[in-house]
Amino acid sequence: EPEVTQTPSHQVTQMGQEVILRCVPISNHLYFYWYRQILGQKVEFLVSFYNNEISEKSEIFDDQFSVERPDGSNFTLKIRSTKLEDSAMYFCASSVSRTTGTGNQPQHFGDGTRLSIL
Amino acid sequence: RKEVEQDPGPFNVPEGATVAFNCTYSNSASQSFFWYRQDCRKEPKLLMSVYSSGNEDGRFTAQLNRASQYISLLIRDSKLSDSATYLCVVKEGNTPLVFGKGTRLSVIA
Repeated sequence: EPEVTQTPSHQVTQMGQEVILRCVPISNHLYFYWYRQILGQKVEFLVSFYNNEISEKSEIFDDQFSVERPDGSNFTLKIRSTKLEDSAMYFCASSVSRTTGTGNQPQHFGDGTRLSIL
Repeated sequence: RKEVEQDPGPFNVPEGATVAFNCTYSNSASQSFFWYRQDCRKEPKLLMSVYSSGNEDGRFTAQLNRASQYISLLIRDSKLSDSATYLCVVKEGNTPLVFGKGTRLSVIA
């Protein structure tokens, strides 16, 4: 079964440094997402991406965050200047089409990157 | 604000037991409903979608009550491998998934 893959599995970075988290969505999927989960808390939406542009973003996704799909395969999340509170699991997800009504198509998640900011 | 609330848990049940989880959502415009399962420090994995008429997948039964904005998941004949956190997830049209905090289940031999 096709999978969403993420690299690295664990990233340790000094506060203030830039990090890039990478994702390879399922190949025939059209919609891509980043979520994060701080330890012990709920999964939170960051951003969705379709047709090479951001389609929606949450209030968490401020100017320090950016996303790119540079080569038609990888989907990256960049944090420009990391803060301690950015420490979390970051999950990439993809779906064929946006879930609408009863014709829903669920989002499939990668196994995440654990980001630790020191 | 769009919220999804779940039973706090944890639920500790013996093998073979039947266990039920409840979930309420605040956004009446929600259109799609799911149960995801998350093992410790792993990604959420889709367990099942929830349909208006209710649906069953083996030992798992999901129910939706739109009037009460309430979703349930019933697990029959619990197995040790069912131990995980169960996430209630809703979605309004083309908006992103909104997750509950999850209910932890431990099935004990």
